Amino acid sequence: AQSVSQHNHHVILSEAASLELGCNYSYGGTVNLFWYVQYPGQHLQLLLKYFSGDPLVKGIKGFEAEFIKSKFSFNLRKPSVQWSDTAEYFCAVNLAPGAGSYQLTFGKGTKLSVIP
Amino acid sequence: EAQVTQNPRYLITVTGKKLTVTCSQNMNHEYMSWYRQDPGLGLRQIYYSMNVEVTDKGDVPEGYKVSRKEKRNFPLILESPSPNQTSLYFCASSLKAGGIHEQFFGPGTRLTVL
Repeated sequence: AQSVSQHNHHVILSEAASLELGCNYSYGGTVNLFWYVQYPGQHLQLLLKYFSGDPLVKGIKGFEAEFIKSKFSFNLRKPSVQWSDTAEYFCAVNLAPGAGSYQLTFGKGTKLSVIP
Repeated sequence: EAQVTQNPRYLITVTGKKLTVTCSQNMNHEYMSWYRQDPGLGLRQIYYSMNVEVTDKGDVPEGYKVSRKEKRNFPLILESPSPNQTSLYFCASSLKAGGIHEQFFGPGTRLTVL
């Protein structure tokens, strides 16, 4: 079964600082990768996803993520964070069709606090 | 508006009193799933359904039941709730299972079992 690791439990940044949240997965085959965001008191929303093609994926609100297959990583980045980016961020992975599992596996999440 | 709805949003109950959390989606999605979210543990899948009358266990199914009699509804049933089921529950749906299909999440149900 696949698993997902998010390296940071809580990240605190000042506004305008750059952000990089780490995500590593364990599975040797083809995967689909997702970043979801959960704003305080709200449900999860999709930020971006990768399934094939250009490994640099752009999402909503200025976020991007880079898939590095050799490192089993899918790190989330944003050049300049805003106070409104304060949220919890979840990396998730599922397997390509035919791999025998349809489960979307989540990491434990990283809380981002942006200080004005 | 395309959405996943859950009811109730908040529930406080006592140990052993059967309860049902409803989930409904209006997007004609085949795949539906229930997760629980606990601090430091992220989201863990309880049960999922590939389509009507097709359900299967996720990572933490103990103490829960589900049914999928209609495509739009996927209720979560706690026959005899216990305090360790106190959690935030999310229902989600996607067009099909797995692959590139984004899951859409409901607003969550915060359950407290005393």
